[in-house]
Amino acid sequence: AQSVTQPDIHITVSEGASLELRCNYSYGATPYLFWYVQSPGQGLQLLLKYFSGDTLVQGIKGFEAEFKRSQSSFNLRKPSVHWSDAAEYFCAVGAQNTDKLIFGTGTRLQVFP
Amino acid sequence: SQTIHQWPATLVQPVGSPLSLECTVEGTSNPNLYWYRQAAGRGLQLLFYSVGIGQISSEVPQNLSASRPQDRQFILSSKKLLLSDSGFYLCAWSDKGTGGADTQYFGPGTRLTVL
Repeated sequence: AQSVTQPDIHITVSEGASLELRCNYSYGATPYLFWYVQSPGQGLQLLLKYFSGDTLVQGIKGFEAEFKRSQSSFNLRKPSVHWSDAAEYFCAVGAQNTDKLIFGTGTRLQVFP
Repeated sequence: SQTIHQWPATLVQPVGSPLSLECTVEGTSNPNLYWYRQAAGRGLQLLFYSVGIGQISSEVPQNLSASRPQDRQFILSSKKLLLSDSGFYLCAWSDKGTGGADTQYFGPGTRLTVL
């Protein structure tokens, strides 16, 4: 069965520091991969997605993610974090022949000035 | 462009009372529609999804039900709320994927507190 693991429940970084949020998935074929961000009390916003092609994907707000098949990972990165990036981040995986996404449990990002 | 609306934004209901949450999508036709619940400090739990009018798939047995009376309208209901129904309810839509899961777009959510 498909699954998504976000090993880090809570991450704290200083403003201006680099960021990497981890996501590992379990799926036999090439998955469809997504990163979403959720600010407190709001819905989820799509940051980026990977379906095929270039394994380094650029998203909104300066985020990028890299699909690594050998590691079953799709980690989210940002070179310099801004205070407004404080939020919860969800990784999700979809698969062929399904209309559903499987979400990870999320990583809460806290940014210190 | 497409937009998705949910109402109400917040709701406080007593245990045993009925529930009706509404979700509507504009700017697209024949979307897939989804209801998720997010309990405090937890991830997203898919409750129901629908691929068309009157077609509802339930993901978990529970006190809730869903209906899709129109193409772009998705309703979450309960006859008698439980304390455990408290949470943040999110509606989402997606286009029909060409063989796989497509991007889901989320509404602003409804915060439900059952007392």
